[in-house]
Amino acid sequence: GAVVSQHPSRVICKSGTSVKIECRSLDFQATTMFWYRQFPKQSLMLMATSNEGSKATYEQGVEKDKFLINHASLTLSTLTVTSAHPEDSSFYICSARPLSSNQPQHFGDGTRLSIL
Amino acid sequence: AQTVTQSQPEMSVQEAETVTLSCTYDTSESDYYLFWYKQPPSRQMILVIRQEAYKQQNATENRFSVNFQKAAKSFSLKISDSQLGDAAMYFCAYRSTKAAGNKLTFGGGTRVLVKP
Repeated sequence: GAVVSQHPSRVICKSGTSVKIECRSLDFQATTMFWYRQFPKQSLMLMATSNEGSKATYEQGVEKDKFLINHASLTLSTLTVTSAHPEDSSFYICSARPLSSNQPQHFGDGTRLSIL
Repeated sequence: AQTVTQSQPEMSVQEAETVTLSCTYDTSESDYYLFWYKQPPSRQMILVIRQEAYKQQNATENRFSVNFQKAAKSFSLKISDSQLGDAAMYFCAYRSTKAAGNKLTFGGGTRVLVKP
């Protein structure tokens, strides 16, 4: 089946550091990828939709300059948390949907980000 | 905007018994997809079952089945012959068929506990 690889799985870094998270579709092409954030014991909240070759679409309340998204190819999207602070600590999950419109999204295994 | 509601924060079931998780949604669209995802402690998002709104027949995947009531905008999940490995968070999700709306909207989740 379709596989999405997300890297790294765990990041611990100091406040002020910028952190890049990668999301790759391994055996399919994805014009659209999605980035979610999940707080403990809560549901997934969509942060932004990553569009290959164009600007990402951010959900209301998500800071574009804080969470930079790049989708340079049909198999790779990156999320960069710039100048991270403790309140950015969370679980980030990406998903990708194959080009065929009736296919479900496939999720990466997530990245646990801890900012000290 | 579409909303998804899961009214049961937690459900407990005896091993080998049956449990039903409720999900309601709000939409003005006539065609859409509905999903149930499982999130075990590893936090992977695992697709359990999907339903296309234009199909009247309820989807079934082994021990998992849904009761899709389109008029009532209800999409419940039944887990039969519950196993210890079924213990997880379960999220109901909605997805539009429109190209601009392919993002998933999740409910708040239901934690399923399985008692041996």
